[in-house]
Amino acid sequence: EADIYQTPRYLVIGTGKKITLECSQTMGHDKMYWYQQDPGMELHLIHYSYGVNSTEKGDLSSESTVSRIRTEHFPLTLESARPSHTSQYLCASSEFGGQGDTQYFGPGTRLTVL
Amino acid sequence: KNQVEQSPQSLIILEGKNCTLQCNYTVSPFSNLRWYKQDTGRGPVSLTIMTFSENTKSNGRYTATLDADTKQSSLHITASQLSDSASYICVVKDRGSTLGRLYFGRGTQLTVWP
Repeated sequence: EADIYQTPRYLVIGTGKKITLECSQTMGHDKMYWYQQDPGMELHLIHYSYGVNSTEKGDLSSESTVSRIRTEHFPLTLESARPSHTSQYLCASSEFGGQGDTQYFGPGTRLTVL
Repeated sequence: KNQVEQSPQSLIILEGKNCTLQCNYTVSPFSNLRWYKQDTGRGPVSLTIMTFSENTKSNGRYTATLDADTKQSSLHITASQLSDSASYICVVKDRGSTLGRLYFGRGTQLTVWP
């Protein structure tokens, strides 16, 4: 079982609200990732980080932002949530980021924007 | 275009039966292929990883095969159990980027009935 945690697990909010999805890992991994997953669809990378103070956008355009101030913490923020943001958000981390590296996933946050 | 296609989209089998899930990919250059198991409401968990030179890898009742020439992989589940009910995701990593880009299939939703 991977030591990577996400809170909240479920969130229902109204349009226009600002939200932050939390992700923490206790494995000391340098690499962290945020994915978006809709039901029955593949995971899409929206943000990643190589380490503290390093953040990059992924393949799928997202209106969310991320920060990496501490190694173990990689929060994702939506300044003004919209119904189109309704999805499952998965956080992952990996030790090396190299070819044989394994990504360990958190349990996910299921976000519903009304 | 790099893609990962999985079949069938969904599968229902009786407890104790065997099944085989398929994965075809076009990712190039190829680094490795993983099968992940994703329980409902949880993050994916890695089952097996195979590199170019490996054509079979087992993990308990799960056996993955890889044909790098035809770019096909399969996941065989033996003597299925109710706890095998989950989505099984094929993930291919490319060798052409520093990040090691992951390409996800949409998964096969397996349901095991008693």
